[in-house]
Amino acid sequence: EVQLVESGGGLVNPGGSLRLSCAASGFTFSSYSMIWVRQAPGKGLEWVSSISSSSSHIYYADSVKGRFTISRDNAKNSLYLQMNSLRAEDTAVYYCARDVSGSSAEFDYWGQGTLVTVSS
Amino acid sequence: QSVLTQPPSASGTPGQRVTISCSGSSSNIGTNYVYWYQQLPGTAPKLLIYENNQRPSGVPDRFSGSKSGTSASLAISGLRSEDEADYYCAAWDASLSGVFGGGTKLTVL
Repeated sequence: EVQLVESGGGLVNPGGSLRLSCAASGFTFSSYSMIWVRQAPGKGLEWVSSISSSSSHIYYADSVKGRFTISRDNAKNSLYLQMNSLRAEDTAVYYCARDVSGSSAEFDYWGQGTLVTVSS
Repeated sequence: QSVLTQPPSASGTPGQRVTISCSGSSSNIGTNYVYWYQQLPGTAPKLLIYENNQRPSGVPDRFSGSKSGTSASLAISGLRSEDEADYYCAAWDASLSGVFGGGTKLTVL
């Protein structure tokens, strides 16, 4: 059974940093691109970043470019999102998801999400 | 302001057919596949339609998708109370990013 479990969310001050993790199981993690999507409270979905299976292709939304860094460790079946210079508008539930074919919008498995709150 | 445009709300009575539209541009829907997601209250999104009109295993055939030019639509026939959810369209964009619609809240009256 495919499982994605996010962790690392919490309350952080504006300007602070946070590192999210996504533990994957039930599939060959190293064969798939992975993504982060966020959802601000009461708002819609926003694609944040994607990383190819070998980390050779990495993309970011303009809203996070230069502040967030996506990475993965295929040996640990884990996906990460390092978030720096956090702003109030980064407050959201962050989901990791499996990207079926890379450079697409086909995300077939999602985690339960982890809440990031940026506030003083 | 989302890159893909959806109506904020839609509604129907049980048994009815409803459609939800999604409008984009030549840089996303016009040149790439469209995907649809269903998000039930308090849960993670679920892939509902892939590659414009394909249903993943387990998705009822009451759900169907179509695409024409730079627009797409999701149709739900035989509406049921459990279909009440938020629906999002998505596509890959030439700017090398994924893009979502703003979401449509479906109410079953």
